[in-house]
Amino acid sequence: QVQLQESGPGLVKPSETLSLTCTVSGGSISNYYWSWIRQPPEKGLEWIGFVYYSGSTTYNPSLKTRVTMSVDTSRNQFSLNLYSVTAADTAVYHCVRGATTLINPFFDYWGQGTLVTVSS
Amino acid sequence: QSALTQPASVSGSPGQSITISCTGTSSDVGYYNLVSWYQQHPGKAPKLMIFEVSERPSGVSNRFSGAKSGNTASLTISGLQAEDEADYYCCSYAGISTIYVFGTGTKVTVL
Repeated sequence: QVQLQESGPGLVKPSETLSLTCTVSGGSISNYYWSWIRQPPEKGLEWIGFVYYSGSTTYNPSLKTRVTMSVDTSRNQFSLNLYSVTAADTAVYHCVRGATTLINPFFDYWGQGTLVTVSS
Repeated sequence: QSALTQPASVSGSPGQSITISCTGTSSDVGYYNLVSWYQQHPGKAPKLMIFEVSERPSGVSNRFSGAKSGNTASLTISGLQAEDEADYYCCSYAGISTIYVFGTGTKVTVL
């Protein structure tokens, strides 16, 4: 059974960088698209972007100037960096396994999510 | 790219059927047969219920079914049960510039 676990700080100061890592267990990181999806408190889901196991990335146009993602296949991990954060970036951040094809919004395994609060 | 439009809430009695709509545009829902649906209970991660408009992943009850007509996709829950009370989100592929867009979410209440 594939499992995903997010890790990283739960509190980030405004204007600083939010950094999260997702560790994948029970399966290989190869051949899949790996996404980050966030959910502000009491609000809906927002796709942030994905990284393919090869390292190629695609980001939500609304966030692309502030986001980078990377993958470490040797550790079965992938990561998110969100720069210059504001209070609007406060959310539960989920790491998610996508499909083996880019165009399919097929998110079948989700991390439990980690709440990141942006506050001074 | 705007979020797909869903009704804020839908309710029904146990045993009834309900349908949740998900309205997009001719650039996303209307163009691609790539709509998925997710169920989210409070404090939990979303769960994939439907993919590619009408396909069910292994283990998902056949009480859940999906369809699409024009720019609107829909999720039908038949034989409504108390455990179906949750938030539901649709998601569509929206082209190479936008990639994925989620719906606004629908709260399902079992009366």
